[in-house]
Amino acid sequence: AQSVTQPDIHITVSEGASLELRCNYSYGATPYLFWYVQSPGQGLQLLLKYFSGDTLVQGIKGFEAEFKRSQSSFNLRKPSVHWSDAAEYFCAVAPNNAGNMLTFGGGTRLMVKP
Amino acid sequence: DTEVTQTPKHLVMGMTNKKSLKCEQHMGHRAMYWYKQKAKKPPELMFVYSYEKLSINESVPSRFSPECPNSSLLNLHLHALQPEDSALYLCASSQDQGRPNLFYEQYFGPGTRLTVT
Repeated sequence: AQSVTQPDIHITVSEGASLELRCNYSYGATPYLFWYVQSPGQGLQLLLKYFSGDTLVQGIKGFEAEFKRSQSSFNLRKPSVHWSDAAEYFCAVAPNNAGNMLTFGGGTRLMVKP
Repeated sequence: DTEVTQTPKHLVMGMTNKKSLKCEQHMGHRAMYWYKQKAKKPPELMFVYSYEKLSINESVPSRFSPECPNSSLLNLHLHALQPEDSALYLCASSQDQGRPNLFYEQYFGPGTRLTVT
């Protein structure tokens, strides 16, 4: 069955520390891959996306993600976390044969310690 | 302007009420979406409109009735809801619905937080 999994429900990091949020997918072919961020009570903002090509993609707010085909993963990273990064992060996929149909992972709530 | 607006921000309604949620975009997008997001869960797709026609209905109960009066507006009419329908309702839009090997970024509104009592 096709699925997208975020293994970590909650993550707490100290401000200034590095961050990695995990995302694994299970699809027949490599789908389009996305990371969204959602602040409390807000809509979703696209951080970055991967369609093809360079497997390390840069996004907004200093985030990057690396696509690893062998591991079916698309992990999100940031070298130095700011308190304002505290939010819910969703990995999402769209099968590349089905247009704009987004499926979201369960989300990871990031908390930042001062 | 990459903004999708939604009104109201909050809505409390009884199970016998009829209410509507409104979504608006002025980006010239021709695809619009409704998602439902329960607390601490990811968004789930409800409906997709493409060129003002209903394209996808993800087996949503008939107490939710979408409407797309024009290319900029998307409504969600609510009637006889249940307490378990309480959620954040997100609207999104994209340039087009997309097709195989072609994806258009979806822009999300801030959502309407609905409470059914």
